[in-house]
Amino acid sequence: QKEVEQDPGPLSVPEGAIVSLNCTYSNSAFQYFMWYRQYSRKGPELLMYTYSSGNKEDGRFTAQVDKSSKYISLFIRDSQPSDSATYLCAIAYSGAGSYQLTFGKGTKLSVIP
Amino acid sequence: KAGVTQTPRYLIKTRGQQVTLSCSPISGHRSVSWYQQTPGQGLQFLFEYFSETQRNKGNFPGRFSGRQFSNSRSEMNVSTLELGDSALYLCSSRGSSYNEQFFGPGTRLTVL
Repeated sequence: QKEVEQDPGPLSVPEGAIVSLNCTYSNSAFQYFMWYRQYSRKGPELLMYTYSSGNKEDGRFTAQVDKSSKYISLFIRDSQPSDSATYLCAIAYSGAGSYQLTFGKGTKLSVIP
Repeated sequence: KAGVTQTPRYLIKTRGQQVTLSCSPISGHRSVSWYQQTPGQGLQFLFEYFSETQRNKGNFPGRFSGRQFSNSRSEMNVSTLELGDSALYLCSSRGSSYNEQFFGPGTRLTVL
């Protein structure tokens, strides 16, 4: 079992729809939870970051973490064609001075005008 | 502030050759990590360097190595290239906060 599981999609939605992206993880030692967005031919860019259970909002984006279920989600409200990209969940463990991100495989999202 | 830069952006090599990729982190960032991204395996951690010391290493063979210089610039080297090494190699630099991790555009390596 991989440490982080993410449905690869692809996911296609009409403009204005609410998008839900999800990941599960297996290692309860993970401490930090992130979502990255990656456009074609670009490196990943950090969208959302949290370290506690609950919701965190930033504009149209909401990150949700449930540590008891080892489940993280990203919701995109009023989706736009510019949101079309691959979304990667990333979970980090920090210990003994080192820091390592473990990524899901990414979900490719297309928002159709 | 300039972002993370990686050179070269594209590279074509043949099996058995070796390759060196370069990464310049964001000014002031001392932590540099390398990742391999493939369609099948996704993003996988290679190693992390901090102040010229390797702090963590992923599950890759010894053909993959790296180093970091005193100015925080980093290089990774892959020796005896195999077809399966074809991938996007991403470098990221991190500041003092855990949400200060930024990725470069990557180097696309093709092994023929």
